[in-house]
Amino acid sequence: DQQVKQNSPSLSVQEGRISILNCDYTNSMFDYFLWYKKYPAEGPTFLISISSIKDKNEDGRFTVFLNKSAKHLSLHIVPSQPGDSAVYFCAASRRGSSGDKLTFGTGTRLAVRP
Amino acid sequence: DARVTQTPRHKVTEMGQEVTMRCQPILGHNTVFWYRQTMMQGLELLAYFRNRAPLDDSGMPKDRFSAEMPDATLATLKIQPSEPRDSAVYFCASGLPPLAWTYNEQFFGPGTRLTVL
Repeated sequence: DQQVKQNSPSLSVQEGRISILNCDYTNSMFDYFLWYKKYPAEGPTFLISISSIKDKNEDGRFTVFLNKSAKHLSLHIVPSQPGDSAVYFCAASRRGSSGDKLTFGTGTRLAVRP
Repeated sequence: DARVTQTPRHKVTEMGQEVTMRCQPILGHNTVFWYRQTMMQGLELLAYFRNRAPLDDSGMPKDRFSAEMPDATLATLKIQPSEPRDSAVYFCASGLPPLAWTYNEQFFGPGTRLTVL
């Protein structure tokens, strides 16, 4: 039972254009969402997060949008750069007794073409 | 600079052998996680500890996997006996407990790539 889904295994974008990575979740109890970025042979690193009380969070070139009614979030990268080429994981958390337990999606591999 | 370390980075073994993976969390972090990355499931949480006590190991096959924290600077994940389906990348992460309305980042190690023949 995959509670966090990233239906696009890969995405290719031209340098300078916008990259949009999507994530859907099924558990309405999730109230905090994160994106992690992973380069080959390295562990994932935290990129950006959003609480369920917000619908948008921006950090430089990265913006995460949350649509709670649709149980959908997206990560926008603009402008995309070749160094953004990596696997991006969406993750969700439910605060409370297991507040730091993360449920991850399967990842989307982003390739930014020069 | 502070980072999570994992050993070994690569392990090739034969089916039936015992495998032990080690993790040194960032000093001061009291929460340690073990994840497994596979193509089909993405990053799966196997187990996690707070202050060395196991909080959740429901993601771990109990018959062959075991996770421990002998002390605050060492976490271990053992597989005995190993099977080809255990082939994956195993990540350790550490962090601090979340505050009321924020989430504390988990810091991941570089992973152990396990191949069971």
